[in-house]
Amino acid sequence: KQEVTQIPAALSVPEGENLVLNCSFTDSAIYNLQWFRQDPGKGLTSLLLIQSSQREQTSGRLNASLDKSSGRSTLYIAASQPGDSATYLCAVLPSTGANSKLTFGKGITLSVRP
Amino acid sequence: EPEVTQTPSHQVTQMGQEVILRCVPISNHLYFYWYRQILGQKVEFLVSFYNNEISEKSEIFDDQFSVERPDGSNFTLKIRSTKLEDSAMYFCASRPGTASQYFGPGTRLTVL
Repeated sequence: KQEVTQIPAALSVPEGENLVLNCSFTDSAIYNLQWFRQDPGKGLTSLLLIQSSQREQTSGRLNASLDKSSGRSTLYIAASQPGDSATYLCAVLPSTGANSKLTFGKGITLSVRP
Repeated sequence: EPEVTQTPSHQVTQMGQEVILRCVPISNHLYFYWYRQILGQKVEFLVSFYNNEISEKSEIFDDQFSVERPDGSNFTLKIRSTKLEDSAMYFCASRPGTASQYFGPGTRLTVL
């Protein structure tokens, strides 16, 4: 059974810092991995999706990498801003195919101090 | 940009009552999902739906739950007799033929 872990549960950094959020998963047979952002009490906004054949994806100040064989992904946020404060979730889709369910980590709650 | 919508945003109900949570997926999407997130816990899968039938369901999705696509646009989750532990945020998601799932804003269900 796939397990997705995100450690630490919370992180507080000063504005302007570059930071890395980690995600690990136990079963490397994945189809893709997605990073989501969740603001308090709100829905899930997809940030980046990495296919299993890819090593990284970039969108603006965000860069996500994937090392499937070691079961790890990182989300790099450059020059963090207070508006980046939110919970960041990673989720994996198994290699059984796109019709499968996502398995989520518990998320990392990021606070960027002005 | 098209998005998944969900109504209501917040539903309060008494234990034992039936609730229906509504979702309007993105119009050309073919696959539909319900997930839930109990406060402070992980987002967890409930059910997937394709071609007017359930593709997969989790062990959470027992006989108290049902899903329906009553017309060409809506996708509903019904909980027949709500329990306190059903209190959670319920998310609908949909996707086209590709693998990326698009999530709605969620319905917060509070069971008293």
